[in-house]
Amino acid sequence: AQRVTQPEKLLSVFKGAPVELKCNYSYSGSPELFWYVQYSRQRLQLLLRHISRESIKGFTADLNKGETSFHLKKPFAQEEDSAMYYCALSAGGTSYGKLTFGQGTILTVHP
Amino acid sequence: EPEVTQTPSHQVTQMGQEVILRCVPISNHLYFYWYRQILGQKVEFLVSFYNNEISEKSEIFDDQFSVERPDGSNFTLKIRSTKLEDSAMYFCASSVEGVGKLFFGSGTQLSVL
Repeated sequence: AQRVTQPEKLLSVFKGAPVELKCNYSYSGSPELFWYVQYSRQRLQLLLRHISRESIKGFTADLNKGETSFHLKKPFAQEEDSAMYYCALSAGGTSYGKLTFGQGTILTVHP
Repeated sequence: EPEVTQTPSHQVTQMGQEVILRCVPISNHLYFYWYRQILGQKVEFLVSFYNNEISEKSEIFDDQFSVERPDGSNFTLKIRSTKLEDSAMYFCASSVEGVGKLFFGSGTQLSVL
């Protein structure tokens, strides 16, 4: 069975400070990992996925298979980054769209 | 950017009643999904649908649940006899292919009284 854990329910930082949202997973195979974000009054949307190895809105995330982690980082947080962030895992293959979500972290960036 | 549309945004029903939640996926997408989120809990996968049939479903998706693509644009989730514990936000999602990103709708808040 697969599981995703986001240990922090709430995270507060000041504008310009670095931010790291933690995500750990449990899965015996080779997972696909994602970060989804939900801004206030908006729908859930994909932020980034590990296979793309891209930086979106200044955020990056590296898959660490040894630590089974996929932490989301940004060196300088902005107020507009305030949102709910979900880490999600897919087993891939024919189950690609079946995502297992973490419980989410509410990020608040103070001015 | 095209969006997944869900109706209604809120639905209140009595326990034991049937409800149908409606979704219009993005037009060129081929894979469709339903997820739900009970208040304070995780977003949970319910079912995936491709080529007019269910490709995968979770343990939550029992005989009380069914999905249908009645025409070329709509994708529906039916709950035959609602229970109190079915109260949740239900999200529809679609993707252009099985390995692409999922586009989510804004959700239907279902309240079972």
